Amino acid sequence: KAGVTQTPRYLIKTRGQQVTLSCSPISGHRSVSWYQQTPGQGLQFLFEYFSETQRNKGNFPGRFSGRQFSNSRSEMNVSTLELGDSALYLCASSPEDMNTEAFFGQGTRLTVV
Amino acid sequence: GENVEQHPSTLSVQEGDSAVIKCTYSDSASNYFPWYKQELGKRPQLIIDIRSNVGEKKDQRIAVTLNKTAKHFSLHITETQPEDSAVYFCAASGATGANNLFFGTGTRLTVIP
Repeated sequence: KAGVTQTPRYLIKTRGQQVTLSCSPISGHRSVSWYQQTPGQGLQFLFEYFSETQRNKGNFPGRFSGRQFSNSRSEMNVSTLELGDSALYLCASSPEDMNTEAFFGQGTRLTVV
Repeated sequence: GENVEQHPSTLSVQEGDSAVIKCTYSDSASNYFPWYKQELGKRPQLIIDIRSNVGEKKDQRIAVTLNKTAKHFSLHITETQPEDSAVYFCAASGATGANNLFFGTGTRLTVIP
């Protein structure tokens, strides 16, 4: 089975712009979660989707949003980018509906200048 | 929400020695506790996990113990090897019936040959 695939791998954006990141989960996985990884804050939960429904959201501003499609692929969007949004954004998929292992993608490295 | 603390932040051991990393969590409703290893520039990968109905789990040189009463869990690596050098993260599940994890801040383990 192919692993979790994230595109693009690297992205450079300017403050104020918006960005969309994509995640394709492992085939058959319906749960997709997103995390932000920074040296200062570590890995922080953004949101989780299951069967196209957002079930849980972390403590991030409304500029961060996401969605999931019927094929379980997911996108996350960040609007009005700030310098502090520079981070590695990781997507993970899980085989069951709750409290199961998360398989991570390689991540998208976002740099805001 | 859940708060996970992890210690130590850095750990150096001689090859062949044991390494122990400890985590505490705050939400007594959490019931799933995975450990991830992240090598430089790579994705986090699950190395072992434990559920709240089990006190200890072992997989070759790696073991995890869980004390639900005290709300702490630990990772034990025996007979360490240079390839064990990486950053290790503990995590606890959110108690919301979804796949969301709260991570510790990570431990950088260095195994000295």
